[in-house]
Amino acid sequence: QPVLTQPPSASASLGASVTLTCTLSSGYSNYKVDWYQQRPGKGPRFVMRVGTGGIVGSKGDGIPDRFSVLGSGLNRYLTIKNIQEEDESDYHCGADHGSGSNFLVVFGGGTKLTVL
Amino acid sequence: QLQLQESGPGLVKPSETLSLTCTVSGGSISSSSYYWGWIRQPPGKGLEWIGSIYYSGSTYYNPSLKSRVTISVDTSKNQFSLKLSSVTAADTAVYYCARSLDIWGQGTMVTVSS
Repeated sequence: QPVLTQPPSASASLGASVTLTCTLSSGYSNYKVDWYQQRPGKGPRFVMRVGTGGIVGSKGDGIPDRFSVLGSGLNRYLTIKNIQEEDESDYHCGADHGSGSNFLVVFGGGTKLTVL
Repeated sequence: QLQLQESGPGLVKPSETLSLTCTVSGGSISSSSYYWGWIRQPPGKGLEWIGSIYYSGSTYYNPSLKSRVTISVDTSKNQFSLKLSSVTAADTAVYYCARSLDIWGQGTMVTVSS
C-alpha cells in the first residue's frame, strides 16, 4: 500500500503564496491524492483531488480559486495564493488503494500551515 | 445539502465496545455512487481510516483494526454505525464519519478511561 509523506509544518506571510507537498512512496506515481483542510477545532474539509494531470473532478464546496493543485512524479502539490488568516490550518492528504476486499485508505501525517 | 452527524457515548471503559452512529440528512445513504466511512484522529495526531461500507453492505476495514471493527448500515434510518471492541486508551480520539471522504461530519470525541 502507498505511504504518504508530508512535512510537519510550513509557514507563509499574509498575502504571500505557499506550496504544500504530499509525496507518495515509490511505485505509486499514478495514484491520485485528496487534499483536506482542517481548521483548528474543526473537522476535515475536502479541498480537491489531484493526479499527475492536475485536478481530478471538482473542488470542494466553498474552496476559493486561490487554491490549486499540481501533480508530478510522486509528488502532489497544493498551492495557496494570496494567503489569508483563515487559511491557517492543518492540511492532510489521503489516497485510496486497491479494490474489492483489498480496498483501504491511507493518510499522510498532515502539515500545519502557520500564517505569519 | 448533505450533512452527517456523529452520535454516541463520549466515555467508554477499557475492554468495552465503542459504539457510534452517523445520521445522514439531506440525501440518501442508499446512493450507489458513494461509500460511507469512519475515520479517527487521536489528540494532536493525524487521521486514521477505520473502515468503509457501501449501501449494499459491503465492508472494508483497516487491516490494523479489522479484528475489532464492525461497520453496518441501516438504510431505513439513513444511518450507518461503528462498533470497536476491546478498546484501550489508544482508541481515545475524535471519530468522524464521512461520505466517500468528500463530506465529513463535525466529529465526536471519545475517551477511553475507567
